Amino acid sequence: EIVLTQSPATLSLSPGERATLSCRASQSVSRFLAWYQQKPGQAPRLLIYDTSNRATGIPARFSGSGSGTDFTLTISSLEPADFAVYYCQQRSNRPLTFGGGTKVEIK
Amino acid sequence: EVQLLESGGGLVQPGGSLRLSCAASGFTFDKFAVNWVRQAPGKGLEWLSVISDNAVTTYYADSVKGRFTISRDNSKNTLYLQMNSLRAEDTAVYYCAKDSVSGSYIFDNWGQGTLVTVSS
Repeated sequence: EIVLTQSPATLSLSPGERATLSCRASQSVSRFLAWYQQKPGQAPRLLIYDTSNRATGIPARFSGSGSGTDFTLTISSLEPADFAVYYCQQRSNRPLTFGGGTKVEIK
Repeated sequence: EVQLLESGGGLVQPGGSLRLSCAASGFTFDKFAVNWVRQAPGKGLEWLSVISDNAVTTYYADSVKGRFTISRDNSKNTLYLQMNSLRAEDTAVYYCAKDSVSGSYIFDNWGQGTLVTVSS
């Protein structure tokens, strides 16, 4: 099973600041990595798939990069709606796995 | 608009059974693989199972293999999860999630979830 480790666990930032979230895989997942956003009481929402492709309707301030074992989700300028938990997910191997999440909170 | 609506959750005793349903609308259901993903209270996401668009192929996480069975009825646009031998650690919100392209394991639409509580 591929283990995804997200860091940091919590990111405390102010609106307008840049957020950089990390996801590290225990073995290469090529570029088969996605990012999801989840707000309290809501289902996850797909943001980015295959490392850098934004899902339908996702604003350009969200971007993804990386390959192999190291991946980054960047939010260029935080909006109030962006404070949430973010999960990475790999689809390279079954079982599909998710990272433990990074909470982006208001500083 | 794509909609996925889970139902069937509730309180069940350890060792008991429950069947979850996920009613789909707004897309051609029989063209997409669909998955179950769960989230224990205050925890992260755990993928459980997938069923192919034609229901021929299924895969499971080890944590539920042999206890849970995924199925679908394309004539009713509905996905199911039969859960047997339930344990306290199965307590979670259960989501159905649609593949963006069948077999892609990219979850582009999710239901709102149904809570399963396993407790005596």
